Parts: sequence; structure tokens; C-alpha cells
Amino acid sequence: QVQLVESGGGVVQPGRSLRLSCAASGFTFSGYGMHWVRQAPGKGLEWVAVISYDGSNEYYADSVKGRFTISRDNSQNTLYLQMNSLRPEETAVYYCAKDPPYHGTGSYPESWGQGTLVTVSS
Amino acid sequence: QSVLTQPPSVSAAPRQRVTISCSGSSSNIGNNAVNWYQQLPGKTPKLLIYYDDLLPSGVSHRFSGSKSGTSASLAISGLQSEDEADYYCATWDDSLNGYVFGTGTKVTVL
Repeated sequence: QVQLVESGGGVVQPGRSLRLSCAASGFTFSGYGMHWVRQAPGKGLEWVAVISYDGSNEYYADSVKGRFTISRDNSQNTLYLQMNSLRPEETAVYYCAKDPPYHGTGSYPESWGQGTLVTVSS
Repeated sequence: QSVLTQPPSVSAAPRQRVTISCSGSSSNIGNNAVNWYQQLPGKTPKLLIYYDDLLPSGVSHRFSGSKSGTSASLAISGLQSEDEADYYCATWDDSLNGYVFGTGTKVTVL
């Protein structure tokens, strides 16, 4: 079955960088678009970015455009999120999620990992 | 500051029916399919409804989705205590060129 395991979270100072990873298993990773979604403590869900199945297309939320980069290594079944110039308000649980298996229904988070906590604080 | 607006909370007694609204615009709900997610307390979000009104395998038929124009709704019938959770609508926004989540609605079973 689908398994998504995020890692790389931790405490980082404002203005510094962090790279998150998401190890995928249980499905053909190279056949699905992948997303990052975050949730600040006690707050709602915020979509961060999506990358197409082959890495040829990427889209970002305006709040992270120019600072975050989503990427993937299909040979390693791994998704990444490079986060630069981090801000305190970006303290959140970061989830990776895969596109749905339902053909023709669009690109959206369907199966989710357990998340990794990123704390931006001095 | 989401572009999709939901009521902060709804409540009802067990076995009653509740509906959660999701209001958007022509660039999101008006032109794209709506999905709904359920997040139980302390848990990871789970896809509840996709493509406006379709249920993923394993989701109870007590949940149903609908859409009209630039608004969508999630209905829960036969409300149970295990339905207490946060619910989010979501869709693609053509103007933002990104996926957007609603503000979220907390469902309380009285």
C-alpha cells in the first residue's frame, strides 16, 4: 500500500535553509505528481507546491515562490522540498502527498504522509 | 486569507444532518472540480470527496458532495461522534495557478 515518509524537519533559525525529503513506496512513484502541503500549529491547511510525474512542471503558492523549490528523484523514489530564507511564520508540519489514482480527475493531494515538523525560531 | 470561505464551525446532535458550505469564485470552484478532506483530531488529512461528488473507496456513504456555480457543499447524514473533525474544501485556482484549501470547518457532535 502507499507509504510516504517525510524527514528533514527540525529547528532552524530565521533566514536559514532546510531541505525536506519524502520517501515513497507501495506505488509507481514515477507515474504520479507529488505535492507539499503545510499546516501551522492550530491552523488550517496550506498548499505549498506540486511537481509533475516527470519533474517537467512545477507550481508554487505565492507565499513561497522564489524561496522554495520542489524536486524529485524518480530513481530513488524520493520527493524533496528545498526551503530557503525561512520565516518564523513558516513553522508548520509539512506533509508530502501523491496525486490520485483516479484518471481524469485532476492533480490534487490524495494520499498523505505523516508529516515532519519544521520550527523556524532563533 | 484563503480564497475559499467556509463557516468556522457547525454542530448538530447525533443522527442529524449537517452541511458545510464552501464559497469561491469563477477562477476556482466555478471552473474546477472540488475536493473535500477530513482531518480527525491529531491525525493526517484524508481525502473524503473528489471531483465534486465522488467517494473514494472505503468512505461512508453518509458523506456527500455537491456543487453549484461558485459554491460547493459537503453534507454529513446520520451524524456520529466519530465525525467530529475539521473539514476542508479544496480546488485548483486558475488565477493563482495553484491548489487552494478552504478556511476549514470544525464539526461538533452535540
